[in-house]
Amino acid sequence: DIQMTQSPSSLSASMGDRVTITCRASQTISSYLSWYQQKPGKAPKLLIYAASSLQSGVPSRFSGSGSGTDFTLTISSLQPEDFATYFCQQTYIAPDTFGQGTKLEI
Amino acid sequence: QEQLVQSGAEVKKPGASVKVSCKTSGYTFSDSFMHWVRQAPGQGLEWMGWIDPDRGGTNYAQKFQGRVTVTRDTSISTVYMELSRLTSDDSAVYYCARHLGQWPGVGAFDVWGQGTMLTVSS
Repeated sequence: DIQMTQSPSSLSASMGDRVTITCRASQTISSYLSWYQQKPGKAPKLLIYAASSLQSGVPSRFSGSGSGTDFTLTISSLQPEDFATYFCQQTYIAPDTFGQGTKLEI
Repeated sequence: QEQLVQSGAEVKKPGASVKVSCKTSGYTFSDSFMHWVRQAPGQGLEWMGWIDPDRGGTNYAQKFQGRVTVTRDTSISTVYMELSRLTSDDSAVYYCARHLGQWPGVGAFDVWGQGTMLTVSS
């Protein structure tokens, strides 16, 4: 299975900060990379698909980049509602696998 | 709007089976594959399998082969996930999640159910 490694595992930031989360795949996954946001007790929410495409309804302060094995999720200016856990997911080779998550805290 | 509504929390004994439902609405049921994903307490996300609601074809993660069965009832636009021979390690929240766009596409999951908590305890 393809291993997805996120860094950092947790991150402290303040409102208005620019934040970057990294996801590395154990082998190339082209651009088959998605990012999700999850808040406590809630289902994940799709933010970015195909590495850099913004899902409908997601604020433009979220952006994604990368291809191959290295990917980033950037939040340009943190808002209060952005404090959550973020997961990456590869869908290039079955089984689909997720990163372990990055918890974004104040 | 597109919505997935799952059945309620379950408590099962080790060795038992559980069947979780996922009722869809707001879109054409047969148009989108459906996945099942689980999340153990405080842990990450684990993909279990998918079903093609149109033809009924399925694919499961090797880890769950022989223990998981995903089915659908097209008359009520509902997908089911049954997991057998339960152990305490199966205690988790189980989600159904819709495949974005046509298969195979880019593979993201764009609509999620609210989750069903399963507790396995003697």
